Amino acid sequence: EAGVTQSPTHLIKTRGQQVTLRCSPISGHTSVYWYQQALGLGLQFLLWYDEGEERNRGNFPPRFSGRQFPNYSSELNVNALELEDSALYLCASSQRTGTEYNEQFFGPGTRLTVL
Amino acid sequence: RKEVEQDPGPFNVPEGATVAFNCTYSNSASQSFFWYRQDCRKEPKLLMSVYSSGNEDGRFTAQLNRASQYISLLIRDSKLSDSATYLCVVNRNFNKFYFGSGTKLNVKP
Repeated sequence: EAGVTQSPTHLIKTRGQQVTLRCSPISGHTSVYWYQQALGLGLQFLLWYDEGEERNRGNFPPRFSGRQFPNYSSELNVNALELEDSALYLCASSQRTGTEYNEQFFGPGTRLTVL
Repeated sequence: RKEVEQDPGPFNVPEGATVAFNCTYSNSASQSFFWYRQDCRKEPKLLMSVYSSGNEDGRFTAQLNRASQYISLLIRDSKLSDSATYLCVVNRNFNKFYFGSGTKLNVKP
């Protein structure tokens, strides 16, 4: 069974530009989570999508946004890039059983460098 | 107060040693618990779920103490390949996942 996939693997942008990151969840998983991990730091929760809707959002400015498509894949968009946006962006998916969401499985991440 | 707190370490242990990490959580309504392992510059990988009765997977044992609101991970007979950062994850309301900042383990020859 294929795991969570993310694209691209690496990206270099300059300040002020915009970027779109993509994630495909494990087949059968309806929930997608996005996290930011700056070098040497812990995971910071960004966004959670389930069944096409945004369910929760972390403490990030509105220039971080995203969406989930009918096939449950997801995009993360970051506008007006700043140097401190340089980080590993991780996507995870989980499967819902009734009202409960099971453990998350992570993709390999997209490493974004902002110059 | 953070939802999930972990000692960042590093824990430096020799091969073959037994090492244990604790993780505390602040909300008594937390429902499910997990340990993940993260290698340097890689994604976190699920190590094990933590069940109320405690559970074991080979050299790894996880325990949950709801009264004191902590979970633990015990690694026996440490291997060099166990060197990684161990993340504690707590799920509350069935849909909110909270990650600890991780405990770094270095296993030395």
